[in-house]
Amino acid sequence: GEDVEQSLFLSVREGDSSVINCTYTDSSSTYLYWYKQEPGAGLQLLTYIFSNMDMKQDQRLTVLLNKKDKHLSLRIADTQTGDSAIYFCAEKDNMDSWGKLQFGAGTQVVVTP
Amino acid sequence: EAGVTQFPSHSVIEKGQTVTLRCDPISGHDNLYWYRRVMGKEIKFLLHFVKESKQDESGMPNNRFLAERTGGTYSTLKVQPAELEDSGVYFCASTGTGGGEQYFGPGTRLTVT
Repeated sequence: GEDVEQSLFLSVREGDSSVINCTYTDSSSTYLYWYKQEPGAGLQLLTYIFSNMDMKQDQRLTVLLNKKDKHLSLRIADTQTGDSAIYFCAEKDNMDSWGKLQFGAGTQVVVTP
Repeated sequence: EAGVTQFPSHSVIEKGQTVTLRCDPISGHDNLYWYRRVMGKEIKFLLHFVKESKQDESGMPNNRFLAERTGGTYSTLKVQPAELEDSGVYFCASTGTGGGEQYFGPGTRLTVT
């Protein structure tokens, strides 16, 4: 089964906030990532958080980490039409700095006018 | 600086045929990764090269898949013979010697009919 789980779809109105949720199971994961994939493009790293942090903010993006529940969320403030994309949550074991990422199935975000 | 490039962008082949996908990492990046996303599911790790050596090939599905990275530059992923379940998007990523962010290519969409 999946080690990283995400809801598959989110519809949001332009100007509202979007919240994308993710749960993971690997307790040794120390880096958690959010990637964005626009149509026809590769995966773009949006932000990441180290597991000893609870929150990270970067302009319109806020990442919240609940280590106890192994829950990660990405909040996008003032969502724009350009935010329409698939968002992937991913984790990596810090002991393997060059190692593989484990991804969720992605959340399709559709922004409506 | 050019990013990670992949060729072709889309390939449609019949079951039983052979297909070769190519990835050109960012120049100077020793680490090269292959991932695959089957329709609607999570992105799964296939393998990791360090220069020309296979560091981790634990994600390769079976012996119909052969990855090479001769000379430690570009990599190819051959599927022979292709099966219907091999359809999906194949992503390539690369990082420098120090690890860190994996830069992804746009992917190759493989359709096996």
